[in-house]
Amino acid sequence: DAGVIQSPRHEVTEMGQEVTLRCKPISGHNSLFWYRQTMMRGLELLIYFNNNVPIDDSGMPEDRFSAKMPNASFSTLKIQPSEPRDSAVYFCASSLEKETTEAFFGQGTRLTVV
Amino acid sequence: GQQVMQIPQYQHVQEGEDFTTYCNSSTTLSNIQWYKQRPGGHPVFLIQLVKSGEVKKQKRLTFQFGEAKKNSSLHITATQTTDVGTYFCAGPQGSGYSTLTFGKGTMLLVSP
Repeated sequence: DAGVIQSPRHEVTEMGQEVTLRCKPISGHNSLFWYRQTMMRGLELLIYFNNNVPIDDSGMPEDRFSAKMPNASFSTLKIQPSEPRDSAVYFCASSLEKETTEAFFGQGTRLTVV
Repeated sequence: GQQVMQIPQYQHVQEGEDFTTYCNSSTTLSNIQWYKQRPGGHPVFLIQLVKSGEVKKQKRLTFQFGEAKKNSSLHITATQTTDVGTYFCAGPQGSGYSTLTFGKGTMLLVSP
């Protein structure tokens, strides 16, 4: 398996533009997570899907952020409009929900909003 | 909400020295996981501890879970330059298994 695949790896955009980050989880995994990592705040959980259904989105910063999982093999995280403070590395992770919930992380998308 | 604290935030050692990072949770954990993130990389799962007082070893790495299941430690014996990275502990958020709350991590730098 290729692991969790995220695209793009790097994104530079201007303030006010829409940004869409993409994730393909590991086949067979039923849980998907979006995390944001910054120096100041560390790794923050943004949203958690189980069987394609959003279960916990309490970490989503504000209405500018939205996430979807239309099927078991694809998820998107959208920021509209983007702001400089959204600059961070965004990780997607997936796991198979069971007692050992090892999370497999993608390579991340480094977002820079100028 | 649940908080997971890690200390130290940063440690710089000479190759061959030992290293320990500590993790403390504000609540009792059903399990604790440890991850390593190399510079520029992504977090990679190292291990999960479940039982009170559990100790697990992976070569030069020793992981402990406290008796009260609220703290954990990772000890590296005789560090090598390949150990460089940030080590995170993570505990389940709430009563379920699925979501994890990560500590801020301990960044380890090893000089040859």
